[in-house]
Amino acid sequence: QKEVEQNSGPLSVPEGAIASLNCTYSDRGSQSFFWYRQYSGKSPELIMFIYSNGDKEDGRFTAQLNKASQYVSLLIRDSQPSDSATYLCAAGIGANNLFFGTGTRLTVIP
Amino acid sequence: EAGVAQSPRYKIIEKRQSVAFWCNPISGHATLYWYQQILGQGPKLLIQFQNNGVVDDSQLPKDRFSAERLKGVDSTLKIQPAKLEDSAVYLCASSLVGTGSEQYFGPGTRLTVT
Repeated sequence: QKEVEQNSGPLSVPEGAIASLNCTYSDRGSQSFFWYRQYSGKSPELIMFIYSNGDKEDGRFTAQLNKASQYVSLLIRDSQPSDSATYLCAAGIGANNLFFGTGTRLTVIP
Repeated sequence: EAGVAQSPRYKIIEKRQSVAFWCNPISGHATLYWYQQILGQGPKLLIQFQNNGVVDDSQLPKDRFSAERLKGVDSTLKIQPAKLEDSAVYLCASSLVGTGSEQYFGPGTRLTVT
């Protein structure tokens, strides 16, 4: 059974702080990892993807992957109220489908 | 570049009725996906097409759900007959190649079965 686990939250951080979102996956064959942001009532929006161990930075977002620990994280620096949303972690295995976690709800407090 | 288009955006039907959803992927995207997202859960893949062929439909309830992508571009997902537990948002996504590449979602269709 392929599973992606996320803490459902809610995670609350003050404006300007760093938000840290975590995800673990069960299938060691997972090769690609994605973070999607989903605002209430909207569809998921791709914000980051990572395929190799280490860090990948894009603006205020940093994705971190540790395949040995089967762990993926997303850091959001200088958090803004507009970052308040549910963040979905997904893992992909080759040509097979993506498996999504249930999401972590983030609230950034002004 | 236009995104993934879906229609209708909302649909309310009674149980045992039928319903169909339409999706047009991003131009040039060979792979198309239909997901079901129940409130409070992550999206669950129903079916994946590569051009007009089915790659994965292992989680599609085939006794009531069907999908097609006849010309390798747009796609239709049908439910017949609908059950109360089918109430969910149906999301269409597309990607350039296979699942390992980035998927982009459409706005979704919110289905309510009463």
